[in-house]
Amino acid sequence: GAGVSQSPSNKVTEKGKDVELRCDPISGHTALYWYRQSLGQGLEFLIYFQGNSAPDKSGLPSDRFSAERTGGSVSTLTIQRTQQEDSAVYLCASSFLSGGAGEQYFGPGTRLTVT
Amino acid sequence: AQSVTQLGSHVSVSEGALVLLRCNYSSSVPPYLFWYVQYPNQGLQLLLKYTSAATLVKGINGFEAEFKKSATSFHLTKPSAHMSDAAEYFCAVTQANQAGTALIFGKGTTLSVSS
Repeated sequence: GAGVSQSPSNKVTEKGKDVELRCDPISGHTALYWYRQSLGQGLEFLIYFQGNSAPDKSGLPSDRFSAERTGGSVSTLTIQRTQQEDSAVYLCASSFLSGGAGEQYFGPGTRLTVT
Repeated sequence: AQSVTQLGSHVSVSEGALVLLRCNYSSSVPPYLFWYVQYPNQGLQLLLKYTSAATLVKGINGFEAEFKKSATSFHLTKPSAHMSDAAEYFCAVTQANQAGTALIFGKGTTLSVSS
C-alpha cells in the first residue's frame, strides 16, 4: 500500500519568507508526527497529532513554527519568516495506535534550504 | 526523561564481517526501543523493535538486537555485512504503555562496508 508522502521533496526559499510543507499519512493511521533532521542537532521531534486531541507542540523550536492537521489526515507544517538555521530535512511519520508499540512509518522528507 | 547514546558516529567493516552498532538508553520508565535505517536521500525505515516481549529481537535484512536491562543497552548486530548495508542507523526510545509519545533518537551511526 501507499506509504507516507511528503511534498515538496525540495524547497529553496529566501530568508524571511514563509513556507508550507505537506504530509499525507498512511490511510487509517491516527497519529502523525513531524521531526526535523539537521547536521548539528540530529533528529528532533517537533509536533504530534492524535485524532481530535490537542496536538503536542512541545518540540516546536519557536512561535514561527506551526502545524495543522485537517480532517484527521493531511498535515501542513508552516514556518514563518524563515531563518537560515531552519535549513534541514523535515520528516513526517504516521502510526496506528492499537495499544502496542505503534511503530512510526516515515516519509521521504522535505529538504528545506533557506538562503 | 529519556535519552539515547550511540557510541561511534562512524563504523567501518569489510564485506562479510560482523556488524556491531552500539546503543545505550536512559529511561526512568520501561522503554520501547527501535532501530531505524536511513539510506541516502530517503526516509527512515524500521529495522526492528523491542516491546517488552522477547529480549532478542530479529528484524529485517538479517539484523538483530538484544535488550539488556542491566546494561541499559540495545546493540544492533548482523553476522555478515553486505555492501547494501551501508547506510545511517538510528537507535530510538519511547515510553512503553504510553501510545503516541514521540521517538527520541540517538545521533546516528554511519556504517561503511568495504569490499
